[in-house]
Formats: sequence, structure tokens, C-alpha cells
Amino acid sequence: AQSVTQLDSQVPVFEEAPVELRCNYSSSVSVYLFWYVQYPNQGLQLLLKYLSGSTLVKGINGFEAEFNKSQTSFHLRKPSVHISDTAEYFCAVSGPGNEKLTFGTGTRLTIIP
Amino acid sequence: NAGVTQTPKFRILKIGQSMTLQCTQDMNHNYMYWYRQDPGMGLKLIYYSVGAGITDKGEVPNGYNVSRSTTEDFPLRLELAAPSQTSVYFCASRMDKTGELFFGEGSRLTVL
Repeated sequence: AQSVTQLDSQVPVFEEAPVELRCNYSSSVSVYLFWYVQYPNQGLQLLLKYLSGSTLVKGINGFEAEFNKSQTSFHLRKPSVHISDTAEYFCAVSGPGNEKLTFGTGTRLTIIP
Repeated sequence: NAGVTQTPKFRILKIGQSMTLQCTQDMNHNYMYWYRQDPGMGLKLIYYSVGAGITDKGEVPNGYNVSRSTTEDFPLRLELAAPSQTSVYFCASRMDKTGELFFGEGSRLTVL
């Protein structure tokens, strides 16, 4: 079975500053990794995903994430945040052959003007 | 382009009542899921389905039932509602194991 840990429940960041949201996973097999974003009172939508190949993955809205197998991490980064990035961010993992997607507990990103 | 549609959006139940949360998708997706979201807990998988006629339990199935008679519909039934089932419920679907999960807008359920 796989699991996901998002250590930071809340991250405040000044506008135009860089941000990193941390995600660590545990799995005994190769994994697929995802980052989703949830804006207030909405469902989740996909930011980016890693299936295989290049370990640096680029997503929507200027976000990117790097898959690090040795550290079992998939941290999300953005070089310069905007007020509109205020949302909750979820890391998720599933293994090949596993139909289930396991989510972390989420990180609430707050942008300070 | 409806995507995943959930009804109702809001509902208040009394303890012991039953109800069904409806979920339908128009993307011809094989995989469908029901999650519940509680503050600080992320999303917990209740039930999922990999195709019509096939369902399986997730992490927190107790107190719930599902069926999948068609590709489009995946209703979630709550029997004998309890306060612990107060939550926001999300239905989601995707084409296959690597695909993007598309979410509905959620159903906020309160059990009093």
C-alpha cells in the first residue's frame, strides 16, 4: 500500500515570492504522483502529474514539481506566487496496477499582499 | 460540457435517516470514485468502481453503499445517517489508472 505525507498544513508566502510545498510518499512499487489544487468551495483540479520519464514536471499556472526517487519526494514549486494562487494543494499517489488514488492531508497556501 | 455532476449540493439529515447522493459523468470514463473530505484530513476514499457492475471498498466504506449499473452513474447510498457522516462528499472519474481525476463540485451533508 502507498501513503502520502504533506508535512506543512499551512504555508504563508508574500506575493511574488517563491514557494515550495512538500510531499513525501511511501510505496513498495513504482508510483504515479499527482498534485491537485482546490479553490474555495470547488472540487479539485489537476496541476501536474508524474508517470515516468523526466523527473521535472511542469504543470499549469507556472507550477512545477520534481520527482526524487531516492528521497521519495515530489515537492511542488513556483518561482513567483500571485494572490490567485491562494488555495489548498493536495499531493496524491497511486501505483501501477492500483486503481486507487491516495491523497495527502493538504497544504493551505496563503498569499500575503 | 458538464463533466461530473453531483446532486444535491447541500443536505441536512436527521440521525437515522437515509439518502442517496447522485453522481453522473458524461465523459465515458471507466473509473469512478467517492471521497469524503473533512477539515485537516484530506480526502478519504469511500468506494470506487472500475466499470459498470464492478465496485470495491476504499478506506472508509462503513455506513455507505454504492452501485454501478451504467458507465455514467455512480450513486452513493447512506443508510442510517450518523453525525460522523457530516462531511463534504466528492465524486470523481477518470478514463484509466494514469489519467486525470475529474471532480464534481461536492455535496455538503450535515447530520443532526
